[in-house]
Amino acid sequence: EIVMTQSPGTLSVSPGERATLSCRASQSVASNLAWYQQKPGQAPRLLIYGASARATGIPARFRGSGSGTEFTLTISSLQSEDFAVYYCLQYNEWPPYSFGPGTKLEIK
Amino acid sequence: QVQLVESGGGVVQPGRSLRLSCAASGFTFGNSAIHWVRQAPGKGLEWVALISYDGSTKYYADSVRGRFTISRDNSKNTLYLQMNSLRVEDTAVYYCAKNPGPRIVAAADDWGQGTLVAVSS
Repeated sequence: EIVMTQSPGTLSVSPGERATLSCRASQSVASNLAWYQQKPGQAPRLLIYGASARATGIPARFRGSGSGTEFTLTISSLQSEDFAVYYCLQYNEWPPYSFGPGTKLEIK
Repeated sequence: QVQLVESGGGVVQPGRSLRLSCAASGFTFGNSAIHWVRQAPGKGLEWVALISYDGSTKYYADSVRGRFTISRDNSKNTLYLQMNSLRVEDTAVYYCAKNPGPRIVAAADDWGQGTLVAVSS
């Protein structure tokens, strides 16, 4: 089973600044890595798939990178609506599909 | 637009059963693999099960295998999750989430709003 880890657990950033979130897989997942955003009381929303492709309607300030075991989600110029919890998901080897524990992005 | 609407959640005693449904619209239901994913209160996301576009292939998390059964009725555009022998640790919001097509190696691109299952005596 592939185990996903995310760091940091909580990230405090000021609006307008850049946020960098990390995700690591216990073994290679190639580029089969997605990022989701979840706000309180809402369902997750797909941001990035294939490690770097933006989903439909996702602003260009969201950028995914990496392959193999190390991945990064960068959000440039944070907007108020970007403060949420972010999860990575590997879908390369299953079952199970594995989510990371999440990074909470909060306003500094 | 794509809509996934879960129903069937509620409060149930340990050891009892519950069946969740997910009604789909706005896309060709019979062309998409679909997941159940759950989230315990205040916790992260946990993948539960996946069914292929035609229902011929099913996968389960170890934590539910043998107790939960995923199924679909493509004529009714509906996904199901039969949950038997429920445990307190099954308490969670249950989401259905579709893949963009029949491929299983894909990230779910649309999610329902979830239905809450609470297992308590």
